Amino acid sequence: QLQLQESGPGLVKPSETLSLTCTVSGGSISSSSYYWGWIRQPPGKGLEWIGSIYYSGSTYYNPSLKSRVTISVDTSKNQFSLKLSSVTAADTAVYYCARVKRIVDYWGQGTLVTVSS
Amino acid sequence: SYVLTQPPSVSVAPGKTARITCGGNNIGSKSVHWYQQKPGQAPVLVIYYDSDRPSGIPERFSGSNSGNTATLTISRVEAGDEADYYCQVWDSSSDHPVFGGGTKLIVL
Repeated sequence: QLQLQESGPGLVKPSETLSLTCTVSGGSISSSSYYWGWIRQPPGKGLEWIGSIYYSGSTYYNPSLKSRVTISVDTSKNQFSLKLSSVTAADTAVYYCARVKRIVDYWGQGTLVTVSS
Repeated sequence: SYVLTQPPSVSVAPGKTARITCGGNNIGSKSVHWYQQKPGQAPVLVIYYDSDRPSGIPERFSGSNSGNTATLTISRVEAGDEADYYCQVWDSSSDHPVFGGGTKLIVL
């Protein structure tokens, strides 16, 4: 059974960079045909796709966040990571990592990241 | 960018049928997927490719898609079905998922 687990700081200061890692177990991140993505959900609001990466390294970012987002993959560790720069309070959200192939079929449990000084 | 429109909330009495809609331009030409999210939990896929059910999802959950509206139907609604429901399609032009704004199902 595939499992995804987010890790990273739960509190980030404004203007700094949010960094999260997703560890995949029960399957290889190098499986073809799948994207590995990040989705966030501000408190009380809906789901917002942040971006995705293919195992080969090809990336796809939400245009509204593209200038601040970097997603990378480490196949040797079966992990992929998110960096979101210049954060503000509007970036406070639960961040989910997920496996994506037209359907988001596996989700991490989510991690709350609060942006506050 | 493709836009999906859902009603903010739908209310239904236990035992009745709930219908949650997802509107989009010619959405019938796309495949629609539905997720259930309970408080404090990650979303769970309940319907994929318009009307297929993942294993473990009750037959009470069904889906349809035609024209400009996709519909998630929950028959014989139970208190445990109270949750937020999101529709999703794939934006092929830029290879990413697009989510609707979500609908809160309220079981009276």
